[in-house]
Amino acid sequence: EPEVTQTPSHQVTQMGQEVILRCVPISNHLYFYWYRQILGQKVEFLVSFYNNEISEKSEIFDDQFSVERPDGSNFTLKIRSTKLEDSAMYFCASASAPRQYFGPGTRLTVL
Amino acid sequence: DQQVKQNSPSLSVQEGRISILNCDYTNSMFDYFLWYKKYPAEGPTFLISISSIKDKNEDGRFTVFLNKSAKHLSLHIVPSQPGDSAVYFCAALRGGGSNYKLTFGKGTLLTVNP
Repeated sequence: EPEVTQTPSHQVTQMGQEVILRCVPISNHLYFYWYRQILGQKVEFLVSFYNNEISEKSEIFDDQFSVERPDGSNFTLKIRSTKLEDSAMYFCASASAPRQYFGPGTRLTVL
Repeated sequence: DQQVKQNSPSLSVQEGRISILNCDYTNSMFDYFLWYKKYPAEGPTFLISISSIKDKNEDGRFTVFLNKSAKHLSLHIVPSQPGDSAVYFCAALRGGGSNYKLTFGKGTLLTVNP
């Protein structure tokens, strides 16, 4: 079965630094998402992306966050200036229909 | 704003018995409901879904029941196996057009004891 891949699996960064989390969605999917899960909490929606633009974003997704689909295959989440509270698992997902396929996640640790 | 609620943080059952995981929602505009299973350090894996126009969907050992009047759904796993031990997330979707956004519950940790 096709799968969503994410790199890196673990990213450690200093507070205030920029990070870029990368995702390769399933090739024929049209909808792309980022979610995050802070340790011990629920999976939270961050942003959805369709037709090369953001279709919806949550309150968490402030000006420090941005997403891009720079080419036909990658989908990236950038955090411009990381904060301690950005430490979480970040999941990318893609869909062509209601069912979303999730990647294995990137664990972001902000020190 | 908890639109999707899983009130039981954990559930423990014996191998071979039935596991029943519950989920409540508040938004009557949701179109689909999905159950995802998650192991530690992995992404959520889709299990089964149900459209808001149905009341039951079955796939092997997994059955999802939807009670729209009560805004309640449940996932039944029978028979339960030790490999089913994981966190189960209920998710609801209101979509169409340019967006299919999932709203997740907090999850229920299922432990199936051999």
